[in-house]
Amino acid sequence: NAGVMQNPRHLVRRRGQEARLRCSPMKGHSHVYWYRQLPEEGLKFMVYLQKENIIDESGMPKERFSAEFPKEGPSILRIQQVVRGDSAAYFCASSPRSVGAYEQYFGPGTRLTVT
Amino acid sequence: GESVGLHLPTLSVQEGDNSIINCAYSNSASDYFIWYKQESGKGPQFIIDIRSNMDKRQGQRVTVLLNKTVKHLSLQIAATQPGDSAVYFCAENSATGRRALTFGSGTRLQVQP
Repeated sequence: NAGVMQNPRHLVRRRGQEARLRCSPMKGHSHVYWYRQLPEEGLKFMVYLQKENIIDESGMPKERFSAEFPKEGPSILRIQQVVRGDSAAYFCASSPRSVGAYEQYFGPGTRLTVT
Repeated sequence: GESVGLHLPTLSVQEGDNSIINCAYSNSASDYFIWYKQESGKGPQFIIDIRSNMDKRQGQRVTVLLNKTVKHLSLQIAATQPGDSAVYFCAENSATGRRALTFGSGTRLQVQP
């Protein structure tokens, strides 16, 4: 029973490049959440998706960031024209239902470094 | 705005002692709380959760206490072991609010052998 999978685990990009982060939720989970964590800080919510739908993107920066969860395949968090301030750990979590009924299970994260 | 915060950034305990990690929250509509453990380089790991209709919930070596009157949450770890060394986060959610977790800033637990 595989857990939440994220790849790549580490990603290095130069300023101005694009970063694509992938998340495969646990089997049977249709709810995906993306969080960002800066060093020594808690996780900050970015976006909540269900299959083919963005439910809540109130934590996403208005520019350069986008997310999708297609009918087939993993959820993708895309960061265009990365800047040094985008360097962080990005975690994906999944749950079988929206939070409140079930806990969220987190993946190992993708550590993005912008040089 | 809503926030979840922790009182102690670092807690150092001796192996075998009990540990208590505290968390304060400000959103009175919060009705679901979770404690996560995060080891270096890893994602948060679920420890225990509690709903607002409960005051206490016990797991294996862990107990979560919820005081809604003062909006306070605590995690008690019995007979702390070196493997418990990690950063612990409390997180909350409101059924009437955004359907995502709001995390506190974390407490680092250091277990001395």
